[in-house]
Amino acid sequence: EPEVTQTPSHQVTQMGQEVILRCVPISNHLYFYWYRQILGQKVEFLVSFYNNEISEKSEIFDDQFSVERPDGSNFTLKIRSTKLEDSAMYFCASSIRDSANTGELFFGEGSRLTVL
Amino acid sequence: QKEVEQDPGPLSVPEGAIVSLNCTYSNSAFQYFMWYRQYSRKGPELLMYTYSSGNKEDGRFTAQVDKSSKYISLFIRDSQPSDSATYLCAMSANSGNTPLVFGKGTRLSVIA
Repeated sequence: EPEVTQTPSHQVTQMGQEVILRCVPISNHLYFYWYRQILGQKVEFLVSFYNNEISEKSEIFDDQFSVERPDGSNFTLKIRSTKLEDSAMYFCASSIRDSANTGELFFGEGSRLTVL
Repeated sequence: QKEVEQDPGPLSVPEGAIVSLNCTYSNSAFQYFMWYRQYSRKGPELLMYTYSSGNKEDGRFTAQVDKSSKYISLFIRDSQPSDSATYLCAMSANSGNTPLVFGKGTRLSVIA
């Protein structure tokens, strides 16, 4: 069964360091998303990406964050200068159509980021 | 008022019980309602998807949406220990590519 894969599963970094989280969405999907979940909190939307550009982003997704689809298969989230409050589980998701129409958003298993 | 409210539990039931999970919301623009199941240290997995008001049944699972009350429910019949997980409600408005807004999740334990 096709699945969204994410690497690394866990990353520990020092405050101020750059972090790149990687995702391989399901191959025929066209819409890509990053969500995050701080421990004990809700899953929160960060950004959506379609046709090689950001289609929507939340207020969390400030200038420290960027996304890229560098090679047609990977989808990356970069945090330029990590802060303690960036510690969270980051979920990549993909859908074949707009998630608002189908709800069929397929999530990866997440990358746990710990900022010290 | 928070956009989506969900009782975090934990909820503990015996095997075979009927489980009722609920969310309320404040944004009347929400049209699409989903329930996700999340096992520990895993990503959310879509269980049920409903558009607008009404009921939808899939095996042991039934989703209900009451837009007039801004209230959605997920019922699990004949609950099994394998149903033990966190259940997240999520919803979105009908404008294109609108992000999902999640509830906090209810942690369910089904005891054998």
